[in-house]
Amino acid sequence: NAGVTQTPKFQVLKTGQSMTLQCAQDMNHNSMYWYRQDPGMGLRLIYYSASEGTTDKGEVPNGYNVSRLNKREFSLRLESAAPSQTSVYFCASSASSGGYNEQFFGPGTRLTVL
Amino acid sequence: ILNVEQSPQSLHVQEGDSTNFTCSFPSSNFYALHWYRWETAKSPEALFVMTLNGDEKKKGRISATLNTKEGYSYLYIKGSQPEDSATYLCASRGNTPLVFGKGTRLSVIA
Repeated sequence: NAGVTQTPKFQVLKTGQSMTLQCAQDMNHNSMYWYRQDPGMGLRLIYYSASEGTTDKGEVPNGYNVSRLNKREFSLRLESAAPSQTSVYFCASSASSGGYNEQFFGPGTRLTVL
Repeated sequence: ILNVEQSPQSLHVQEGDSTNFTCSFPSSNFYALHWYRWETAKSPEALFVMTLNGDEKKKGRISATLNTKEGYSYLYIKGSQPEDSATYLCASRGNTPLVFGKGTRLSVIA
């Protein structure tokens, strides 16, 4: 049982490059989330998917797009990376988005944009 | 976006000491309060999910209480051990998806 997996673990981009962060969960969860973690800022929600086929903006969605490919997979795309997007990105999943279920987190992707 | 505040920001205690942290959140439109433990170089792991006013949860030496009317939760660690060293996050679910506080970083000195 792998839980939540993320690829890649590390990535260095140049300003203006694009990339997609991949996330998959094997717990049959309905809801998935993308967060970024910056020093002194806590975990901030970028986008979430309450259920397969739906996506919604979180607190900091600018510069990102997401795709809920199927129930297992939720990807995060940076179309034109900026240094301000240097961060650690965490994917998470939960049985539902109502807040009554704990979230399970992936190992994180450390992204540096030069 | 609702505001979730945690205090203190960091804490150093001696092994064997008991300690507690505070999480403050808006009391209106409250759905749930989560506590997570986050060890360095790992991912956050859930400790508790609490929904009802007066809820008390316990896992080993760690326990938590919830006051939804006044908008606060306490996390208690009894007899701290070096392996308790971590950042403890709380998160509140109101009308928006879960919003996390910035965490309390606990260091337990042997």
